[in-house]
Amino acid sequence: LAKTTQPISMDSYEGQEVNITCSHNNIATNDYITWYQQFPSQGPRFIIQGYKTKVTNEVASLFIPADRKSSTLSLPRVSLSDTAVYYCLVGDRGSNYQLIWGAGTKLIIKP
Amino acid sequence: DSGVTQTPKHLITATGQRVTLRCSPRSGDLSVYWYQQSLDQGLQFLIQYYNGEERAKGNILERFSAQQFPDLHSELNLSSLELGDSALYFCASSVDLLAPITRYEQYFGPGTRLTVT
Repeated sequence: LAKTTQPISMDSYEGQEVNITCSHNNIATNDYITWYQQFPSQGPRFIIQGYKTKVTNEVASLFIPADRKSSTLSLPRVSLSDTAVYYCLVGDRGSNYQLIWGAGTKLIIKP
Repeated sequence: DSGVTQTPKHLITATGQRVTLRCSPRSGDLSVYWYQQSLDQGLQFLIQYYNGEERAKGNILERFSAQQFPDLHSELNLSSLELGDSALYFCASSVDLLAPITRYEQYFGPGTRLTVT
């Protein structure tokens, strides 16, 4: 199965840009890379998704290099409310339907 | 509100017992996923159903089973419960019209908190 690796935790300060990288090998060539945000005792919530290069929406950017062996979630000008766990999600090369979730990165934003 | 509903919200039961968790997907979504999240742990994918059929299996124990009914709601059955089964159980749904399924956003329910004593 494909494997993903994310930092366990990160700290930053309000107003800073935060980048969280997920390494993923053996992902399916036609699969998308997705990031979710989770607050305590709530279900994860979709943040952004991409296939290659760069994608930007109103809350984040996602950078995916040409080899697609990693992806970087970029949160501009974070606030205290961005304190959460962030997960990357990819698909496995060997199956059209096997989802591989990262272990999650706990992001703590300080004032 | 994601549009995915889960019942019950909380469940307390004893070891050795059996429980059923219920999930209703968003209107129009054909896929249902079940996840287990133990305290301060990541998401563990258990199983996925698509339009009534099992599509993918993750780290689901043999004591656990699930099904998706014709009206697309799903139930997760947990039997011979152990203390270690205490966790938040999430259901998610997505459209999943065509592969790859990673193309489609998953919408998560609020979860069922199971406590086994």
